[in-house]
Amino acid sequence: GENVEQHPSTLSVQEGDSAVIKCTYSDSASNYFPWYKQELGKGPQLIIDIRSNVGEKKDQRIAVTLNKTAKHFSLHITETQPEDSAVYFCAAYGSSNTGKLIFGQGTTLQVKP
Amino acid sequence: EAGVAQSPRYKIIEKRQSVAFWCNPISGHATLYWYQQILGQGPKLLIQFQNNGVVDDSQLPKDRFSAERLKGVDSTLKIQPAKLEDSAVYLCASRLGGYITDTQYFGPGTRLTVL
Repeated sequence: GENVEQHPSTLSVQEGDSAVIKCTYSDSASNYFPWYKQELGKGPQLIIDIRSNVGEKKDQRIAVTLNKTAKHFSLHITETQPEDSAVYFCAAYGSSNTGKLIFGQGTTLQVKP
Repeated sequence: EAGVAQSPRYKIIEKRQSVAFWCNPISGHATLYWYQQILGQGPKLLIQFQNNGVVDDSQLPKDRFSAERLKGVDSTLKIQPAKLEDSAVYLCASRLGGYITDTQYFGPGTRLTVL
């Protein structure tokens, strides 16, 4: 079935360093890949997304890259700040077009001041 | 714009009891989702509604879980009877329309503890 694997499960960086989170997906027909940030006690919030016809997308300190051949996509956060500390989830839409999101297991990012 | 509202925020029950959760999506959003998020995992889709019709309930344990979306607006998710393994955060999300690139907006969730 459809599956999304996410690594690492935890990531600790110093403020100002970069953080990279990687995901792989199983459904080759997946064509849309959102990333969500979840803070304690809150629901996930969309931070960036990428479509399958684009290889890279940037939004200020956040960028996402997609390699469709390898079925990999990654989140890059530069110049990390303590407020970036949260759980990050990658996700992929399946090919069913119903809008069903398959989430990765999550990465807990800790940015140390 | 008001976000997705959920209540209650927390619920503690004994196993074999019943519980219900309520969700009010963003106004005008046709698609509504219920997810189960077990501690340390990503959200898992339980059921998806398009207006008041079910689109996908393939992962809903129908022997104990039920959901409805009357009038295509707010929705309730019920568990009867609850099991220990139902302890999780139940998230509701909504989406404006039928394009997969439409953002899914999540509510704060209901944290359920089954003792």
